[in-house]
Amino acid sequence: ETGVTQTPRHLVMGMTNKKSLKCEQHLGHNAMYWYKQSAKKPLELMFVYNFKEQTENNSVPSRFSPECPNSSHLFLHLHTLQPEDSALYLCASSPRRGAGNEQYFGPGTRLTVT
Amino acid sequence: GDSVTQMEGPVTLSEEAFLTINCTYTATGYPSLFWYVQYPGEGLQLLLKATKADDKGSNKGFEATYRKETTSFHLEKGSVQVSDSAVYFCALSESGGSYIPTFGRGTSLIVHP
Repeated sequence: ETGVTQTPRHLVMGMTNKKSLKCEQHLGHNAMYWYKQSAKKPLELMFVYNFKEQTENNSVPSRFSPECPNSSHLFLHLHTLQPEDSALYLCASSPRRGAGNEQYFGPGTRLTVT
Repeated sequence: GDSVTQMEGPVTLSEEAFLTINCTYTATGYPSLFWYVQYPGEGLQLLLKATKADDKGSNKGFEATYRKETTSFHLEKGSVQVSDSAVYFCALSESGGSYIPTFGRGTSLIVHP
């Protein structure tokens, strides 16, 4: 595997379910990000991790819980979601958190909350 | 705060036409500027970048020049192909402060044969 991978690619869950999204990067990067991409809305940054430490939480509701056990893996734990949480969730990585660092994105997980 | 403004789409062109997608920004410091492209069903991928004023980024026939005096980073391509149909995002990342990337809303490009 190369680049940034995300699993699952598609997820349908009920509002009372608990599920997790997984992201893995094979690039040796130290910063990882979660974004939410909804139709007709700008890309929303959710969380940033730098060297496994969370450095940004962009006022994300507590029903989204990130976890970064090491610099290569990032999880997003989901529970009691709302229909408006249906979106494409993108993971990204960069060499480190800083200007000039381009981000490398995974293909995303398409989440549908029923 | 920082912001990026892109022209609204969709931009619809015939194959081999000239493309310009406008991008302007506001930033408090000295940002790096990026263009990303998102093909259907995929994540974003870096298309090109520029890290200082007057730098020109280029890739796959696309170009953009970092214009500090006009705070712009317009994307251009001389002859588009059907395979260029995608959504294009302009973005910036400051050299100081939190480094959090700021993205534009994206511009959809549709190229017809």
